[in-house]
Amino acid sequence: AQRVTQPEKLLSVFKGAPVELKCNYSYSGSPELFWYVQYSRQRLQLLLRHISRESIKGFTADLNKGETSFHLKKPFAQEEDSAMYYCALADSGNTPLVFGKGTRLSVIA
Amino acid sequence: NAGVMQNPRHLVRRRGQEARLRCSPMKGHSHVYWYRQLPEEGLKFMVYLQKENIIDESGMPKERFSAEFPKEGPSILRIQQVVRGDSAAYFCASSPSQTDTQYFGPGTRLTVL
Repeated sequence: AQRVTQPEKLLSVFKGAPVELKCNYSYSGSPELFWYVQYSRQRLQLLLRHISRESIKGFTADLNKGETSFHLKKPFAQEEDSAMYYCALADSGNTPLVFGKGTRLSVIA
Repeated sequence: NAGVMQNPRHLVRRRGQEARLRCSPMKGHSHVYWYRQLPEEGLKFMVYLQKENIIDESGMPKERFSAEFPKEGPSILRIQQVVRGDSAAYFCASSPSQTDTQYFGPGTRLTVL
């Protein structure tokens, strides 16, 4: 069965420190992986997807098929990065999305 | 483009009543997805619809829940005879195709008293 695990419910870091939000998945095929973010009082929005290999707002994520991980990283955290982050996967074709429980990132000034 | 619209944003129902949640996709999007988020949980897929067709309803409870996406008008998620366990945030997403990014609405928070 498809499953996404985000082991940290809450992650607090100081401004300027590196950030790594962990995501592990279980899936028997070749999934597509995504990171979604929800800022305070805003709707859920796509941050990045692994196939596009983009860096958005300084965040990157590399798909590691050997470790079945898709950790989200940023070298220097900013206060505006404080939000709820969800890792998600989908079968090829993008539907339906399977979400992790989310990690709340808090960046402390 | 106004984005995905959902209404109402908050809905309170008593046990046994019906709840109707509406989702208007982004302009040009014909694919709609409904997800439910229980407290402290991630979003869980419920149903995927394309205009007038249900494509995948594998995540939707077999009883009391139904969804439609008519040719004209919004997609509707209908919950009959609501129970306390239906209290959750219900999110709708839309996309222009099966492979494109899903864009999410603000959600409807259902509270069953």
